[in-house]
Amino acid sequence: EIVLTQSPGTLSLSPGERAALSCTASQTIGNDYLAWYQQKPGQAPKFLIYGASRRATGVPDRFSGGGSGTDFTLTISRLEPEDSAVYYCQQYDASLPIIFGQGTRLEIK
Amino acid sequence: EMRLFQSGGGLAPPGGSLRLSCAASGFTFSTYAMTWVRQTPGKGLEWVSAISGDGNYIYYVDSVEGRFTTSRDNSKNTLFLEMNYLRAEDTAIYFCAKNYADGQATYNVWGQGTTVTVSS
Repeated sequence: EIVLTQSPGTLSLSPGERAALSCTASQTIGNDYLAWYQQKPGQAPKFLIYGASRRATGVPDRFSGGGSGTDFTLTISRLEPEDSAVYYCQQYDASLPIIFGQGTRLEIK
Repeated sequence: EMRLFQSGGGLAPPGGSLRLSCAASGFTFSTYAMTWVRQTPGKGLEWVSAISGDGNYIYYVDSVEGRFTTSRDNSKNTLFLEMNYLRAEDTAIYFCAKNYADGQATYNVWGQGTTVTVSS
């Protein structure tokens, strides 16, 4: 079973700065089958990125995904206060169960 | 607009049962696989179960296999999760989610979540 490790655990940045969130897999994720979600308190996760780098419908281009193999990154440029949330990565390459990372909390000061 | 509305959940004793429902609208329900995901403070997001669009293929995480049953009624655009022999560790917020595309286990529409508490 693949393990996804996200870092850092918490990231505190100012509006206008750029955030880089990491997701490292314990084994290679084929086909770049890595997704990212944003979750705000009291809400369901929101689909952001799939295929490691493809933005879901309606996601601002400030959000970009990259990486391949075992190392993936979600980059959020020009941070806005509304970007405060927990961000999760998820792999969908390997056999079931589907695995999520433990999350990175992004705080906008 | 694609939407999922959840109902059910609540409090049940250990060994008890609960049923969750997830009503879909705004998309052709029968053509999409659907998934249940749960969330706890300690374990984060955990995939629980998935069902194919036609209901013929159903999958579970090992910890709920034999206790939980996922089903769907495509005539009523509704997904179900029947939870039996509940354990304390099943306490979580449960989300239903729509698979983004055929053969791709990513989730582009989520229900609002429903709380399940297992306690005596």
